[in-house]
Amino acid sequence: SQQGEEDPQALSIQEGENATMNCSYKTSINNLQWYRQNSGRGLVHLILIRSNEREKHSGRLRVTLDTSKKSSSLLITASRAADTASYFCATTQGGSEKLVFGKGMKLTVNP
Amino acid sequence: GAGVSQSPSNKVTEKGKDVELRCDPISGHTALYWYRQSLGQGLEFLIYFQGNSAPDKSGLPSDRFSAERTGGSVSTLTIQRTQQEDSAVYLCASSPRLAGAHEQYFGPGTRLTVT
Repeated sequence: SQQGEEDPQALSIQEGENATMNCSYKTSINNLQWYRQNSGRGLVHLILIRSNEREKHSGRLRVTLDTSKKSSSLLITASRAADTASYFCATTQGGSEKLVFGKGMKLTVNP
Repeated sequence: GAGVSQSPSNKVTEKGKDVELRCDPISGHTALYWYRQSLGQGLEFLIYFQGNSAPDKSGLPSDRFSAERTGGSVSTLTIQRTQQEDSAVYLCASSPRLAGAHEQYFGPGTRLTVT
């Protein structure tokens, strides 16, 4: 079953602009992770934020977590054409090791 | 070092046949996961291994699906009597499962088409 819900489901922007993707989830989590997928194949881990953290940065990525609203956002600054991909949020919950993924969001960065 | 590898990359099979999908995790990673991705269902967890044991099989959709892991390394996902609804990309991931390390490293997937 899906836990997260990304919003918007598709986003098209120009190179150099910022892209913001939102994720909402339903139950308490241990951590929330963002993954990128190119061409419908393997996923690449981008960033992880723990349930007791509120914000995290990695290069051009900034992720925030609001556990009271059960939501997270991923900001990609100064986007590049190479950022074109599908992005998924995923959570781990309780004592479980499995990732529960959202439906994903397709980002298109136009050169 | 090398990443997670999966074979075959593509598999076309006839309905009713059995298939085996293989995953080679990153060396030293004790945790191994299988997921599948389909248009209708998105990304779904199937099974998790810690070493050779599978403490969580809750995502296996039916008893036609089974998986094993040997030597704490290679894993095989077997689907018996395949059905058209089994068509999907099957993704394997591994993790070192060190304290505080929870990210998973994914392979390129096996695209299964059941005709």
